[in-house]
This record gives sequence, structure tokens and C-alpha cells, in this order.
Amino acid sequence: GNSVTQMEGPVTLSEEAFLTINCTYTATGYPSLFWYVQYPGEGLQLLLKATKADDKGSNKGFEATYRKETTSFHLEKGSVQVSDSAVYFCALGSSNTGKLIFGQGTTLQVKP
Amino acid sequence: SAVISQKPSRDICQRGTSLTIQCQVDSQVTMMFWYRQQPGQSLTLIATANQGSEATYESGFVIDKFPISRPNLTFSTLTVSNMSPEDSSIYLCSVGVESSYNEQFFGPGTRLTVL
Repeated sequence: GNSVTQMEGPVTLSEEAFLTINCTYTATGYPSLFWYVQYPGEGLQLLLKATKADDKGSNKGFEATYRKETTSFHLEKGSVQVSDSAVYFCALGSSNTGKLIFGQGTTLQVKP
Repeated sequence: SAVISQKPSRDICQRGTSLTIQCQVDSQVTMMFWYRQQPGQSLTLIATANQGSEATYESGFVIDKFPISRPNLTFSTLTVSNMSPEDSSIYLCSVGVESSYNEQFFGPGTRLTVL
């Protein structure tokens, strides 16, 4: 079945450091891939998405590329800020069911 | 994008009681979903709320414990029945975006604590 695996956290970085959060997936067919962010005490917000192989999603300085050959969708940001501290979820959208399957989430803490 | 509200935003309940959570969307949507997020965990899909028919439940979730209503295309409720401390979680509703590759928008969540 479909599944998503994220790197374990927490990830602790200093402000302006480079961020990578790894995400790999297993799926049949041609899923869509998403990164959602959950700030403390809030619901989930869509951060970026990619709907087909080699697509690059980007938003707020974050980006991720849909790599079919490595079944990956790693999240990157060149220079993190304290305000980026949150939990990040990688998710896979099943084209058959309309459902999302989430990874376990990665907590990012950015220190000044 | 859709604007989604949930009521209540949080509650503290006694074991054995039930709580109904409301989800309101500012536009008509076909697909609505209910998720549970246990403390420090990821999201687990409880069910898909279907307008005009019974909800479709995921493995491990049953209608007697989590009855769902979907009276129209902008509103749904999830009831957590006969609660125990293990039901303490954040409950989130989401809506699917038509023709947008499974993208979903989420409500702010309802934080439930069961004593």
C-alpha cells in the first residue's frame, strides 16, 4: 500500500542555517505530493505541492522536487528563521481515493 | 482556497460523555474528511463524510464510536462517543479541492482533553 516516511526529529538549527527534511514515499500510480506545516497550537497549512515527476513546488523560501526515480520529495530552505519553527508533514495524495497519507511529521526548532 | 471553521476550539470532558464537533466551510465542497491527531503524533484519517449517505470509515474506526453527519455541502459534525482518556487528541476536519490533485484544506482543529 501507499506510505510516506519522513526523517525523525526534532531538527534543531541556528537561524540562517540550511534546512533539509527528507521524505520518501511508496505508491502505486501517480500520486501528488505535499508538504504541510503546523505551527504551535494551529491546524495544518499547505506549504507547497507537486503533482507530477520533476515538478518543483515552492513557497515562502521552501522548495521540494518530486523525484520519481528516488521516490523522494525532500523539503529544503536556504536560510531558516525562528518563525519557521513548526512541525512539517510530508503527504501523498492518492489519485484513486482523494485521500491523503501523512508521514509522521518532523519538528523543526530554529534558535536565534 | 476554502475557509474552514470548527467549534469548539477546545474542550475538557469527563469520561463516559460525548462531544460533538462542528465543521463549517464557506463554500460548497464534495469531499470532507475527519482526522485525529494524538499528542505528538501524525494525522490519522477517521472517515470520509459523504453528503446524503453514511460516512466511510477507515480501519480501526467505527460508526458507534465516531458518528458523523453531513447534512449539506458546507457542514459536517463528528461526535466522539463514550469518551475515555485515550480519546484525548486534536480532531481536524478538512475539505478536498475539486480537480486539484487531492489537495486538502484543514480547519484549525478541536483540542479535546478527556479526564
